[in-house]
Amino acid sequence: AQSVSQHNHHVILSEAASLELGCNYSYGGTVNLFWYVQYPGQHLQLLLKYFSGDPLVKGIKGFEAEFIKSKFSFNLRKPSVQWSDTAEYFCAVNATTDSWGKLQFGAGTQVVVTP
Amino acid sequence: TAGITQAPTSQILAAGRSMTLRCTQDMRHNAMYWYRQDLGLGLRLIHYSNTAGTTGKGEVPDGYSVSRANTDDFPLTLASAVPSQTSVYFCASSALDPPGTGELFFGEGSRLTVL
Repeated sequence: AQSVSQHNHHVILSEAASLELGCNYSYGGTVNLFWYVQYPGQHLQLLLKYFSGDPLVKGIKGFEAEFIKSKFSFNLRKPSVQWSDTAEYFCAVNATTDSWGKLQFGAGTQVVVTP
Repeated sequence: TAGITQAPTSQILAAGRSMTLRCTQDMRHNAMYWYRQDLGLGLRLIHYSNTAGTTGKGEVPDGYSVSRANTDDFPLTLASAVPSQTSVYFCASSALDPPGTGELFFGEGSRLTVL
């Protein structure tokens, strides 16, 4: 079974600062990788996803993530955050062989952006 | 576009009582899922269904049951609620086409408090 580890539980930063959230997974096979965001009081929304091809993927709202297979990592980045990026961010993984599409989520990282 | 509709939005329930959380999707997705979200633990899969008539157990199935009589509905039942089932419950769906892509679409969540 796969597992997902997010390195930071809470991150506080100022507007215009750069953001990087770490995500590592453990699974020996081929995986699909996702980052979801949950804004306060809302449901989860997909930020970006990686299935195959270019390991640097771009998502909505200026976010990007890089898949480094050798490190089993899929870190999320944004060069300059805004107050509206305050949210909880979840990394998720599923095995490409899993036809049920079940996702394994990390514990989440709460990001607070101060004005 | 409605997407996924969950009901109720919020509920307070006495321990020992039964409760059914409703979930309906209008996207004709094959797969549906129930997750619970708890602080510091992220989202954990309770039950899932690949297609109408089939269900499977996730990571934390004990105390919960599901049914999938048709494509659109996937209710989650707590037969005899306990305080540890206090959580926010999210229903999700996935097209599973192509298989294994695993992108999930989430409902707004149901906040359940068991006293």
